[in-house]
Amino acid sequence: DQQVKQNSPSLSVQEGRISILNCDYTNSMFDYFLWYKKYPAEGPTFLISISSIKDKNEDGRFTVFLNKSAKHLSLHIVPSQPGDSAVYFCAASGNGNDMRFGAGTRLTVKP
Amino acid sequence: NAGVMQNPRHLVRRRGQEARLRCSPMKGHSHVYWYRQLPEEGLKFMVYLQKENIIDESGMPKERFSAEFPKEGPSILRIQQVVRGDSAAYFCASSLGRVENSPLHFGNGTRLTVT
Repeated sequence: DQQVKQNSPSLSVQEGRISILNCDYTNSMFDYFLWYKKYPAEGPTFLISISSIKDKNEDGRFTVFLNKSAKHLSLHIVPSQPGDSAVYFCAASGNGNDMRFGAGTRLTVKP
Repeated sequence: NAGVMQNPRHLVRRRGQEARLRCSPMKGHSHVYWYRQLPEEGLKFMVYLQKENIIDESGMPKERFSAEFPKEGPSILRIQQVVRGDSAAYFCASSLGRVENSPLHFGNGTRLTVT
Protein backbone atom coordinates (compact mmCIF):
# COMPACT_ATOMS: atom_id res chain seq x y z
CA ASP A 1 0.00 0.00 0.00
CA GLN A 2 2.01 2.91 -1.31
CA GLN A 3 0.66 6.01 0.35
CA VAL A 4 3.34 8.33 -1.00
CA LYS A 5 4.14 8.19 -4.69
CA GLN A 6 6.90 9.66 -6.76
CA ASN A 7 6.01 8.70 -10.29
CA SER A 8 9.16 9.94 -11.98
CA PRO A 9 12.09 7.67 -11.21
CA SER A 10 14.54 10.07 -12.82
CA LEU A 11 14.93 13.67 -13.94
CA SER A 12 17.71 15.34 -15.88
CA VAL A 13 18.16 19.11 -16.07
CA GLN A 14 20.80 21.55 -17.22
CA GLU A 15 22.86 23.46 -14.70
CA GLY A 16 21.26 26.82 -13.91
CA ARG A 17 17.76 25.68 -14.86
CA ILE A 18 14.90 24.82 -12.53
CA SER A 19 14.40 21.27 -11.24
CA ILE A 20 10.85 20.29 -10.31
CA LEU A 21 10.30 17.07 -8.41
CA ASN A 22 6.77 15.88 -7.82
CA CYS A 23 5.08 13.81 -5.16
CA ASP A 24 1.51 12.60 -4.65
CA TYR A 25 -0.07 11.11 -1.57
CA THR A 26 -3.27 9.24 -0.89
CA ASN A 27 -3.73 9.44 2.87
CA SER A 28 -5.75 12.53 3.79
CA MET A 29 -4.52 12.19 7.38
CA PHE A 30 -1.02 13.28 6.37
CA ASP A 31 -0.36 16.77 7.67
CA TYR A 32 3.38 17.20 7.50
CA PHE A 33 5.59 16.69 4.50
CA LEU A 34 9.34 16.53 4.05
CA TRP A 35 11.93 16.17 1.34
CA TYR A 36 15.13 14.23 1.87
CA LYS A 37 18.20 14.04 -0.31
CA LYS A 38 20.34 10.94 -0.59
CA TYR A 39 23.81 10.41 -2.01
CA PRO A 40 25.09 6.89 -2.78
CA ALA A 41 26.32 4.92 0.23
CA GLU A 42 24.96 7.54 2.64
CA GLY A 43 21.78 7.91 4.62
CA PRO A 44 19.10 10.41 3.57
CA THR A 45 19.55 13.94 4.83
CA PHE A 46 16.72 16.31 5.64
CA LEU A 47 16.25 19.10 3.11
CA ILE A 48 13.02 21.02 3.67
CA SER A 49 9.55 20.50 5.12
CA ILE A 50 6.08 21.96 5.03
CA SER A 51 3.07 21.80 7.31
CA SER A 52 -0.40 21.30 5.88
CA ILE A 53 -1.42 24.74 7.15
CA LYS A 54 0.90 26.28 4.57
CA ASP A 55 1.07 26.03 0.80
CA LYS A 56 4.65 27.14 0.33
CA ASN A 57 7.93 27.02 2.20
CA GLU A 58 11.18 28.43 0.91
CA ASP A 59 14.77 27.90 1.97
CA GLY A 60 17.40 29.39 -0.28
CA ARG A 61 17.32 27.66 -3.65
CA PHE A 62 14.73 25.14 -2.43
CA THR A 63 10.99 25.74 -2.35
CA VAL A 64 8.31 23.21 -1.51
CA PHE A 65 4.73 23.74 -2.68
CA LEU A 66 1.74 21.91 -1.23
CA ASN A 67 -1.65 21.51 -2.90
CA LYS A 68 -3.83 19.82 -0.31
CA SER A 69 -6.91 19.51 -2.48
CA ALA A 70 -4.89 17.65 -5.10
CA LYS A 71 -2.84 15.77 -2.49
CA HIS A 72 0.24 16.87 -4.34
CA LEU A 73 3.50 18.51 -3.40
CA SER A 74 6.53 19.54 -5.36
CA LEU A 75 10.10 20.56 -4.72
CA HIS A 76 11.61 23.32 -6.84
CA ILE A 77 15.36 23.81 -7.02
CA VAL A 78 16.51 26.96 -8.75
CA PRO A 79 19.10 27.42 -10.02
CA SER A 80 20.07 23.77 -10.18
CA GLN A 81 23.72 22.90 -9.54
CA PRO A 82 25.72 19.73 -10.35
CA GLY A 83 26.08 19.11 -6.60
CA ASP A 84 22.30 18.75 -6.41
CA SER A 85 22.56 15.47 -8.30
CA ALA A 86 21.19 12.87 -5.90
CA VAL A 87 18.08 10.84 -5.16
CA TYR A 88 15.27 12.91 -3.65
CA PHE A 89 12.69 11.29 -1.41
CA CYS A 90 9.33 12.76 -0.53
CA ALA A 91 7.99 11.79 2.91
CA ALA A 92 4.74 12.34 4.79
CA SER A 93 3.61 12.07 8.37
CA GLY A 94 0.09 11.89 9.74
CA ASN A 95 0.41 11.55 13.46
CA GLY A 96 3.64 13.34 14.20
CA ASN A 97 5.44 10.16 14.99
CA ASP A 98 6.31 8.25 11.87
CA MET A 99 6.89 8.84 8.20
CA ARG A 100 6.16 7.15 4.92
CA PHE A 101 8.50 7.63 2.00
CA GLY A 102 8.08 7.67 -1.75
CA ALA A 103 10.24 5.59 -4.06
CA GLY A 104 12.54 8.50 -4.85
CA THR A 105 13.49 10.48 -7.94
CA ARG A 106 17.06 10.46 -9.20
CA LEU A 107 18.02 14.01 -10.21
CA THR A 108 20.94 14.57 -12.54
CA VAL A 109 22.11 18.12 -13.11
CA LYS A 110 24.33 18.38 -16.15
CA PRO A 111 27.08 21.02 -16.30
CA ASN B 1 28.24 15.75 17.92
CA ALA B 2 27.83 12.20 16.71
CA GLY B 3 24.98 11.51 14.36
CA VAL B 4 23.06 8.28 14.09
CA MET B 5 25.56 5.45 14.14
CA GLN B 6 24.85 2.16 12.47
CA ASN B 7 27.05 -0.89 12.50
CA PRO B 8 28.23 -2.82 10.77
CA ARG B 9 28.27 -0.89 7.48
CA HIS B 10 28.39 -4.13 5.56
CA LEU B 11 27.21 -7.54 6.69
CA VAL B 12 27.45 -10.79 4.76
CA ARG B 13 25.46 -13.80 5.91
CA ARG B 14 24.79 -17.21 4.44
CA ARG B 15 21.22 -18.35 4.02
CA GLY B 16 19.82 -19.58 7.32
CA GLN B 17 22.12 -17.53 9.54
CA GLU B 18 21.07 -14.68 11.79
CA ALA B 19 21.75 -11.01 11.10
CA ARG B 20 21.95 -8.40 13.86
CA LEU B 21 21.96 -4.75 12.88
CA ARG B 22 22.73 -2.09 15.47
CA CYS B 23 21.71 1.52 15.67
CA SER B 24 22.77 4.13 18.18
CA PRO B 25 20.50 7.17 17.91
CA MET B 26 21.65 10.74 18.17
CA LYS B 27 22.29 11.89 21.71
CA GLY B 28 19.03 12.75 23.41
CA HIS B 29 16.85 11.09 20.79
CA SER B 30 14.39 8.57 22.16
CA HIS B 31 12.54 7.71 18.94
CA VAL B 32 14.06 5.18 16.55
CA TYR B 33 12.85 4.06 13.15
CA TRP B 34 14.04 1.30 10.84
CA TYR B 35 13.64 1.44 7.07
CA ARG B 36 14.64 -1.00 4.36
CA GLN B 37 15.71 -0.07 0.87
CA LEU B 38 15.69 -2.81 -1.72
CA PRO B 39 17.76 -2.32 -4.89
CA GLU B 40 16.20 0.31 -7.16
CA GLU B 41 13.40 0.95 -4.68
CA GLY B 42 12.51 3.58 -2.11
CA LEU B 43 12.61 3.47 1.66
CA LYS B 44 10.11 1.07 3.16
CA PHE B 45 9.03 1.68 6.73
CA MET B 46 9.59 -1.30 8.99
CA VAL B 47 9.23 -0.37 12.64
CA TYR B 48 9.07 2.58 15.00
CA LEU B 49 10.27 2.25 18.57
CA GLN B 50 10.63 4.34 21.65
CA LYS B 51 12.68 3.28 24.64
CA GLU B 52 11.58 -0.23 25.60
CA ASN B 53 8.42 0.01 23.49
CA ILE B 54 7.44 -0.94 19.97
CA ILE B 55 5.06 1.77 18.78
CA ASP B 56 4.38 0.66 15.21
CA GLU B 57 5.67 -2.52 13.58
CA SER B 58 3.20 -2.56 10.73
CA GLY B 59 5.96 -2.60 8.12
CA MET B 60 7.91 -5.48 9.53
CA PRO B 61 7.44 -9.04 8.25
CA LYS B 62 5.63 -11.13 10.83
CA GLU B 63 8.19 -13.92 10.79
CA ARG B 64 11.96 -13.91 11.28
CA PHE B 65 12.17 -10.15 11.93
CA SER B 66 12.25 -8.50 15.34
CA ALA B 67 13.37 -5.18 16.75
CA GLU B 68 14.12 -3.80 20.16
CA PHE B 69 15.25 -0.56 21.73
CA PRO B 70 16.28 -1.32 25.29
CA LYS B 71 16.58 1.16 28.10
CA GLU B 72 20.34 1.01 27.76
CA GLY B 73 22.26 0.39 24.56
CA PRO B 74 21.52 0.56 20.87
CA SER B 75 18.45 -0.45 18.99
CA ILE B 76 18.78 -3.89 17.39
CA LEU B 77 17.09 -5.15 14.25
CA ARG B 78 17.33 -8.93 14.18
CA ILE B 79 16.69 -11.13 11.19
CA GLN B 80 16.64 -14.86 11.82
CA GLN B 81 17.22 -17.51 9.17
CA VAL B 82 18.07 -14.98 6.50
CA VAL B 83 17.09 -15.58 2.88
CA ARG B 84 18.42 -14.01 -0.31
CA GLY B 85 15.42 -11.67 -0.46
CA ASP B 86 16.57 -10.05 2.77
CA SER B 87 19.55 -8.55 0.94
CA ALA B 88 19.03 -4.80 1.16
CA ALA B 89 20.24 -1.61 2.78
CA TYR B 90 18.75 -1.12 6.23
CA PHE B 91 18.57 2.43 7.50
CA CYS B 92 17.98 3.56 11.03
CA ALA B 93 16.73 7.05 11.89
CA SER B 94 16.14 8.85 15.15
CA SER B 95 14.27 11.91 16.32
CA LEU B 96 13.62 13.88 19.49
CA GLY B 97 9.89 13.50 19.24
CA ARG B 98 7.19 14.63 16.89
CA VAL B 99 8.33 14.78 13.28
CA GLU B 100 7.31 18.40 12.77
CA ASN B 101 9.50 19.45 15.68
CA SER B 102 12.38 17.15 14.93
CA PRO B 103 12.87 15.72 11.44
CA LEU B 104 14.33 12.25 11.30
CA HIS B 105 18.09 11.99 11.19
CA PHE B 106 19.40 8.94 9.36
CA GLY B 107 22.45 6.78 9.77
CA ASN B 108 24.50 5.66 6.77
CA GLY B 109 22.84 2.27 6.75
CA THR B 110 23.88 -1.37 6.95
CA ARG B 111 24.11 -3.17 3.66
CA LEU B 112 23.13 -6.80 4.20
CA THR B 113 24.14 -9.36 1.61
CA VAL B 114 22.82 -12.89 1.89
CA THR B 115 24.78 -15.46 -0.05
